[in-house]
Amino acid sequence: KQEVTQIPAALSVPEGENLVLNCSFTDSAIYNLQWFRQDPGKGLTSLLLIQSSQREQTSGRLNASLDKSSGRSTLYIAASQPGDSATYLCAVWLTQGGSEKLVFGKGTKLTVNP
Amino acid sequence: DGGITQSPKYLFRKEGQNVTLSCEQNLNHDAMYWYRQDPGQGLRLIYYSQIVNDFQKGDIAEGYSVSREKKESFPLTVTSAQKNPTAFYLCASSILGGSGNTIYFGEGSWLTVV
Repeated sequence: KQEVTQIPAALSVPEGENLVLNCSFTDSAIYNLQWFRQDPGKGLTSLLLIQSSQREQTSGRLNASLDKSSGRSTLYIAASQPGDSATYLCAVWLTQGGSEKLVFGKGTKLTVNP
Repeated sequence: DGGITQSPKYLFRKEGQNVTLSCEQNLNHDAMYWYRQDPGQGLRLIYYSQIVNDFQKGDIAEGYSVSREKKESFPLTVTSAQKNPTAFYLCASSILGGSGNTIYFGEGSWLTVV
């Protein structure tokens, strides 16, 4: 059964710092991996989608990488800002039990201090 | 504006009551999903639908029911059989069911048992 793990569970950094969030998955047979941001009490906002054939995707100050063989993805945030404070979740699309499904990690809660 | 609308934002349920959460999308997406999120936990799939008049159970379907009579609507009923319904409920949609496509989320509904 696919498991998605995010480490650390929480992270606190000073403003301006570059940081990396980690995501690992146990089964490398995934279709793609998606990173989301969730503000407290809100829905999820898609940040980046990496297809299984891709190595990385970039959007502004965000860069996500994918290494299927090792079952790992990282989300790099450059020059962090207080507005980046949120919970970041990764999720993988895979086939399980004969149907396609999206499996989520529990998230990393990021706090960027002014 | 295009998007996913969930209502109500906050809902209180008495013991033994059924309640229905609304989810409407105007993105012309084929697939729709319901997830449950508990504090400190990842999202867990309740039900999903890839086409009108068809839906499939997710990982935690017991105590829940859905319908998909229209492409844009996917209401979730939390029945009295659901013993621990207090949670944050998220509705989502995507162009095609399954892998390769970005999934979009609504703002969520908070359900509390009183």
